[in-house]
Amino acid sequence: AQSVAQPEDQVNVAEGNPLTVKCTYSVSGNPYLFWYVQYPNRGLQFLLKYITGDNLVKGSYGFEAEFNKSQTSFHLKKPSALVSDSALYFCAVSPRTHSGGYNKLIFGAGTRLAVHP
Amino acid sequence: DGGITQSPKYLFRKEGQNVTLSCEQNLNHDAMYWYRQDPGQGLRLIYYSQIVNDFQKGDIAEGYSVSREKKESFPLTVTSAQKNPTAFYLCASSPPGSDTQYFGPGTRLTVL
Repeated sequence: AQSVAQPEDQVNVAEGNPLTVKCTYSVSGNPYLFWYVQYPNRGLQFLLKYITGDNLVKGSYGFEAEFNKSQTSFHLKKPSALVSDSALYFCAVSPRTHSGGYNKLIFGAGTRLAVHP
Repeated sequence: DGGITQSPKYLFRKEGQNVTLSCEQNLNHDAMYWYRQDPGQGLRLIYYSQIVNDFQKGDIAEGYSVSREKKESFPLTVTSAQKNPTAFYLCASSPPGSDTQYFGPGTRLTVL
């Protein structure tokens, strides 16, 4: 079955330190990969996506993600965390099984990032 | 001011009542989606629509209904048949030819 795993329910990091939020997926073929962020009682905001090409993708608010095909991973990273980065982060995958039609997004369960001053 | 709007932000319902959640977008997106979010479970797809007057069931459509009479609007009705309707409901849309979905602010539904 197609799935997305975010193995950590919560990640704690000190402000100014680098952060990593992990994501692995189980989808055949060449999926598109996404990261979204959600602040309390708000909708999801798009951060970045990987389609093809360079394995390091840069997105909004200084975030980047590294695609690793052999490990089927798409980890979210930031060189220096801010307290304002504290939020819920979702990894999502589009399997791309239907060309020209609807391609669903499969979401992970989310990882709560807590950045401490 | 472009974007996706959802109303109301908070909604309370008595058991046995149907309730309709509004979703409107002025982004000229063709596709629209409804998701349900429960703690620790991520997002689950309820219904989606790729064009006006057409919609498809998602993974958890039972107890829900939708309509798509206008491109800008995709209302979701939570019926009394939905056994556990208390959740945070998110609407999204995506532009033609893109897999990227853009989300509204959500509606929190509580059944009393």
